[in-house]
Amino acid sequence: GAGVSQSPRYKVAKRGQDVALRCDPISGHVSLFWYQQALGQGPEFLTYFQNEAQLDKSGLPSDRFFAERPEGSVSTLKIQRTQQEDSAVYLCASSLGSGATNEKLFFGSGTQLSVL
Amino acid sequence: SQKIEQNSEALNIQEGKTATLTCNYTNYSPAYLQWYRQDPGRGPVFLLLIRENEKEKRKERLKVTFDTTLKQSLFHITASQPADSATYLCALGNAGNNRKLIWGLGTSLAVNP
Repeated sequence: GAGVSQSPRYKVAKRGQDVALRCDPISGHVSLFWYQQALGQGPEFLTYFQNEAQLDKSGLPSDRFFAERPEGSVSTLKIQRTQQEDSAVYLCASSLGSGATNEKLFFGSGTQLSVL
Repeated sequence: SQKIEQNSEALNIQEGKTATLTCNYTNYSPAYLQWYRQDPGRGPVFLLLIRENEKEKRKERLKVTFDTTLKQSLFHITASQPADSATYLCALGNAGNNRKLIWGLGTSLAVNP
């Protein structure tokens, strides 16, 4: 596609609900990242995929957070039993290759999650 | 712990002037540094990358410097325009297989016509 696409754009959840956030990376991009951005803060790393392999999930805040990329393209970030502190913008980014660590990232517009 | 500091206050400048944004870091030895622009309600957009062995990089009206002794990067926008108004983020990365970028909080820039 033309860019990284994320859906939904906005999500309101009641505390305790499960949510699923979708990311469509740029076609052919090997690497995919999820970041969490709180209001007025910089993005915080959550997890990284190289194709379908989840190589780093050290940023996931708890075992309620789960990400997958089963076919090496679309990715889903799932949050179980949402809490108010999960409210943030969830950004997805992709990059072309996997060998160079200094590649630029292409970001989607994010999903703004509000947990009431 | 690793820490990145960007201009703590929002920056307001007059159109046509040069905007200078700072990114300072501690307890970290990055292999490279990236600058991104973020508009409200959008994801960050890549602007420039500079490696640890580079002193300066330029792209059109943008210039970035990297001083590993001072642990600082400066980002300049010359001949600024109102359309340059946005939040600017710096992000640091390691060499090797670590793909995790460490981000600053960002600096809000307003260019007044």
